[in-house]
Amino acid sequence: DTAVSQTPKYLVTQMGNDKSIKCEQNLGHDTMYWYKQDSKKFLKIMFSYNNKELIINETVPNRFSPKSPDKAHLNLHINSLELGDSAVYFCASSQGLGEATNEKLFFGSGTQLSVL
Amino acid sequence: SQQGEEDPQALSIQEGENATMNCSYKTSINNLQWYRQNSGRGLVHLILIRSNEREKHSGRLRVTLDTSKKSSSLLITASRAADTASYFCATDRTGGAQKLVFGQGTRLTINP
Repeated sequence: DTAVSQTPKYLVTQMGNDKSIKCEQNLGHDTMYWYKQDSKKFLKIMFSYNNKELIINETVPNRFSPKSPDKAHLNLHINSLELGDSAVYFCASSQGLGEATNEKLFFGSGTQLSVL
Repeated sequence: SQQGEEDPQALSIQEGENATMNCSYKTSINNLQWYRQNSGRGLVHLILIRSNEREKHSGRLRVTLDTSKKSSSLLITASRAADTASYFCATDRTGGAQKLVFGQGTRLTINP
């Protein structure tokens, strides 16, 4: 009954490989996000989707490609992994978007990616 | 540069004491939110304060917002060991959660 679930929790891989992280939310939310948390705990938004439509792409390298097959799922595919991609990646969702001033995010538990 | 910056970066206090964390931001906001992150877990929403509010309470949490100084504080009263976590502020600059920008957080340790 987890609200926002992402898999896998840990991902260890070699440089140059391609990997995917999956995310699903059962809250009925319209908007989903990917955030990256670096080793200094700085949390930065990467992408957001609203009803399967890309809303935000925060100057992320095009090696990162989000895919939203439906509004409950937002997956992240990473090509040609680099050492600097090592971080914790969080999926999140919110009820809507737009001018509402009471939106809060619900986060998954994170995927720790280690590129060797 | 990041929008929200928490201060201090780390705080260690004894159980039962109050903990105060501060957040400063640079641009006008619609609302400011505080989140908690336990080690190895995702962030959990604690409280949201709108730009036209000055203070808000939720249980042992008290949040203040001073838009003239572009700053907010989170006070946790009567701290418990379970409050040990990182606390993040997040600002919504243009409206809607899709624009939430987080700081680096304050690492709070409650010593028994």
